[in-house]
Amino acid sequence: GAGVSQSPRYKVAKRGQDVALRCDPISGHVSLFWYQQALGQGPEFLTYFQNEAQLDKSGLPSDRFFAERPEGSVSTLKIQRTQQEDSAVYLCASSPDGLTDTQYFGPGTRLTVL
Amino acid sequence: GQNIDQPTEMTATEGAIVQINCTYQTSGFNGLFWYQQHAGEAPTFLSYNVLDGLEEKGRFSSFLSRSKGYSYLLLKELQMKDSASYLCAVSSGAGSYQLTFGKGTKLSVIP
Repeated sequence: GAGVSQSPRYKVAKRGQDVALRCDPISGHVSLFWYQQALGQGPEFLTYFQNEAQLDKSGLPSDRFFAERPEGSVSTLKIQRTQQEDSAVYLCASSPDGLTDTQYFGPGTRLTVL
Repeated sequence: GQNIDQPTEMTATEGAIVQINCTYQTSGFNGLFWYQQHAGEAPTFLSYNVLDGLEEKGRFSSFLSRSKGYSYLLLKELQMKDSASYLCAVSSGAGSYQLTFGKGTKLSVIP
């Protein structure tokens, strides 16, 4: 079956531009997570959805970061007024439930801010 | 706070056995995961431990000691395709069941 998909795979933005990153989780998965992975580092948690409810956004680095999952399936991570330090790979993961279930990751979007 | 430590890099020979260690200090514990990540690709699930002991799955095994805050991933009969980063991650069980990752161990398998 289809895994988690993300688009675009690569995004280059000029500093100050807004970007939107899309995640299509595995069909039927209740939980959806966004992580940020800097080069040579492990992924760091950004935010978590259970269905359409954003239950935890404690990892979002600033109010320029915004995520939504309006119908409980596809999610979008939006970054406003991008800055160079936002350059990273943004990973999306989904799990059937979230209660210690394995998280399945998408290939990520590599964002480069110039 | 949350702290997960694992070696930055390791090198091993094709056909050999390698052990990648992970130590953790977290405010809660709901399980420990190992993921494999090839360069430019998604992390893929390898193993999950929630109870003490060894979990074996083919060439890969993972061990957990909760009292020591310690885990290891054991890879047997190494193949060139095992060259990748190996990520140790803990689910602290608090709130959103997010995973806290170590920085990853880059394993290079040489002929």
